[in-house]
Order: sequence, then C-alpha cells, then structure tokens
Amino acid sequence: SSELTQPPSVSVSPGQTATITCSGHQLGTSNACWFQQKPGQPPILVIYQSTKRPSGIPERFSASTSGNTATLIISGTQAMDEADYYCQSWDSSTDVVFGGGTKLTVL
Amino acid sequence: EVHLTQSGAEVRKPGESLKISCQGSGYTFTSNWIAWVRQLPGKGLEWMGVIFPNDFDTRYSPPFQGQVTISVDTSINTAYLQWNSLKPSDTAMYYCARLSSRGYDIWGQGALVTVSS
Repeated sequence: SSELTQPPSVSVSPGQTATITCSGHQLGTSNACWFQQKPGQPPILVIYQSTKRPSGIPERFSASTSGNTATLIISGTQAMDEADYYCQSWDSSTDVVFGGGTKLTVL
Repeated sequence: EVHLTQSGAEVRKPGESLKISCQGSGYTFTSNWIAWVRQLPGKGLEWMGVIFPNDFDTRYSPPFQGQVTISVDTSINTAYLQWNSLKPSDTAMYYCARLSSRGYDIWGQGALVTVSS
C-alpha cells in the first residue's frame, strides 16, 4: 500500500475547480510533486517543490500544502485534464514515495 | 531538447534474464540521478531505485533490493534495469526518469515487459 494517501477518484464538471488531496507524514518535512498520466502515456510533471509549475504546464494547474497534506488544484477544468494524478514525496533521506493515484473524471 | 529514450517491449519466459535500457540525450548525463519506476497493469507508480551516473551510487527501494540491478554505462549515456530470473509478477510497464532540482522532470516513454510461459 502507498504511504501517501489520495482519493481513488474525483469528478468535476467542465469549467469547475477540481481539487485532489494527498496526505502523509512525509509532507510535513518534504516537498511534494504532482504528475499527470493519461492512458498509454508516461507521467508528466505538473507541480514541483509543492507549489511550482514547470514551463509548458497551463496556469490552471496550481497546488498548495498545509501540514501533512498537499493539494492539487485545477481551475477551469477542461476535458483534456481527464487523467490519473499522482502525488510524490520523499521519505527518510532519499527514498521516493508515490500516492496511490486519483482518477480525475470530467463530466 | 532533453530526452530519455527507452528500449522496446520485451516478452520473456519465467526464469529468463532481461536487461532494459534508457538513453539520455540533450543534457549532461552524468549530472543527474536516473530512477526506475514500475507500473503494474492498471495500477499506480512504484519507485524501484536510482543511480547517479557520475559515481555509480545506487539505491534501491526495499521491495526491489536483491530483485533487480540498476547500472549505467556513461560512455553511451545509458542506464539499465536488469533481472536475472524473471517472474510472471514482473509483468509491468517500466519507466526511467531524470531527477533534477524540479524533481522527476523528464520521463522515458516506458518499456512493457511481459513474462509468460
């Protein structure tokens, strides 16, 4: 089982705001990253260092962190945002941990 | 442009060995850790381990320690993931990923490994 906990699924209507949470004790001391993965494709980094967005990632993707919880926020969700989303952090010195993933459905 | 290019899909029988590859281009290969990530069919991402090409420092996630070997050939900017004796439970997609100051920012396209008799 994953050491970072995510909801298995989130549904959102087009144009609305989707929020995906990720909780785990690691998040109290380590940064979080978020990845988007569409079927048959490798993951894409959409958030790093808990709140920063890589170049090329739309501004509608943002994130926040509080205590042991990280949150991915997608504002004005579009159909193209339908995907699996994974959070990731670091445990102890260098071990990497992923959340179990959240399937975002835009309907 | 930075790329990680992985070797193609493989089909093996249980007990056989396998080595898959991940070649970096567009950056200084020895400057960044390279990790391997497993994704079982229909499941989530699992971090297997990581190697630093500059000094060959290698670390494994406990479930994968002793089960696989991660190595690198810096002369051809390539990292490897190797099994000595495959099991059907090793059937999965395997990704390599580059670690930068932004985290795992570049991923290979994935290599599907199928182990079946």
